[in-house]
Amino acid sequence: NAGVTQTPKFQVLKTGQSMTLQCAQDMNHNSMYWYRQDPGMGLRLIYYSASEGTTDKGEVPNGYNVSRLNKREFSLRLESAAPSQTSVYFCASRHRNGTRTYEQYFGPGTRLTVT
Amino acid sequence: DAKTTQPNSMESNEEEPVHLPCNHSTISGTDYIHWYRQLPSQGPEYVIHGLTSNVNNRMASLAIAEDRKSSTLILHRATLRDAAVYYCILIKYYNQGGKLIFGQGTELSVKP
Repeated sequence: NAGVTQTPKFQVLKTGQSMTLQCAQDMNHNSMYWYRQDPGMGLRLIYYSASEGTTDKGEVPNGYNVSRLNKREFSLRLESAAPSQTSVYFCASRHRNGTRTYEQYFGPGTRLTVT
Repeated sequence: DAKTTQPNSMESNEEEPVHLPCNHSTISGTDYIHWYRQLPSQGPEYVIHGLTSNVNNRMASLAIAEDRKSSTLILHRATLRDAAVYYCILIKYYNQGGKLIFGQGTELSVKP
């Protein structure tokens, strides 16, 4: 069981370049999430997918798009990277069954620098 | 959403108990209290959660005040590996999105 995997681990982009961060989970979880963490701060939710086929905005969605490709995979795209998007990006997943709230499992993160 | 307040930092000695406090005076009846921690250079990991009663698991214990306006995460014997940022998060029971709202957390350092 690999849990939640993210690729790449590190990335440097120039302003205006685009890229896609990949996330996959092998726990058969329904819900998946993308967070960003700036230095010295807590995580902030960018987008989430409560179930396959749905996506919703979180606290800080501007400048990002997401795709829930299938139940396993949830990607985050930066169309035109800006220095303000320099951050560590974490993907997470969670089982969902009715109304109960289950814990989230996080990936190791992608460290992105935009110059 | 109800907010939580935690001390910015705490120190502990190795093999001693640690009590990490969290205030949540505006908690509602449908809010669960969750704790996550983030080890250096890693993603957060779930620690424990509770609603009204005290809870124990292999990682920690959670003590919840009778009025639920505060809670305490207890690490019974701190190890160097427990040095991390600990986040206290309120999540509504009927939170279909499962979204987590992280505050600043408490940075715990453990001295040998």
